[in-house]
Amino acid sequence: EVQLVESGGGLVKPGGSLRLSCAASGFSLSIYSMIWVRQAPGKGLEWVSSISSSNSYIYYADSVKGRFTISRDNARNSAYLQMNSLRAEDTAVYYCARDPARISGGSHIPYFFDYWGQGALVVVSS
Amino acid sequence: DIQMTQSPSSLSASVGDRVSLTCRASQSITRYLNWYQHKAGKAPKLLIYAASSLQGGDSSRFSGSGSGTDFTLTISSLQPEDSATYYCQQSYSTPITFGQGTRLEIK
Repeated sequence: EVQLVESGGGLVKPGGSLRLSCAASGFSLSIYSMIWVRQAPGKGLEWVSSISSSNSYIYYADSVKGRFTISRDNARNSAYLQMNSLRAEDTAVYYCARDPARISGGSHIPYFFDYWGQGALVVVSS
Repeated sequence: DIQMTQSPSSLSASVGDRVSLTCRASQSITRYLNWYQHKAGKAPKLLIYAASSLQGGDSSRFSGSGSGTDFTLTISSLQPEDSATYYCQQSYSTPITFGQGTRLEIK
């Protein structure tokens, strides 16, 4: 059974840092892209970042570029989101999801997200 | 960035009804359009990918259509468990963008 479990969420002060982890089971992470999506309170879904299976293609939303870093460890079957310089507007439930990706012009492009974790709550507040 | 606009924002319908949810892209995305169902406190669930392909194991009551800029998710014969927010998402280009969602209430 495919499972994704996020951890590492919590309360952090503005300007602080947090690292989210996404542990995968039931499949080999090494052949999939992985993505992070967030949902702020009362808002819709917002794509945050994607990383290809080989680490060669990494994408970020403008809202987090320069502050967040996505990474993966295929040997540990895990993906990560390092979040620095956190702001109040980063408060959200963060989901990781699996992405089969597609190849276009030699690049791996995010495609559809077929399995999701239950989410990790991040609250940025003083 | 490609903007995704869903309509209606909310909808109330009865068990057994057939409903259609619409998603419009600000430019052509060919058929790179996916639909998700999201219930409060749960993980989002992929329903339809590539505009009309049903995700494995999902109910055939869900179907998707469209191409270019206009897309539709149709739910035939509504069931109580279909109460949720439905999101469309384009994967034509980065940044990946979602619609604002359609909240579906079952009367």
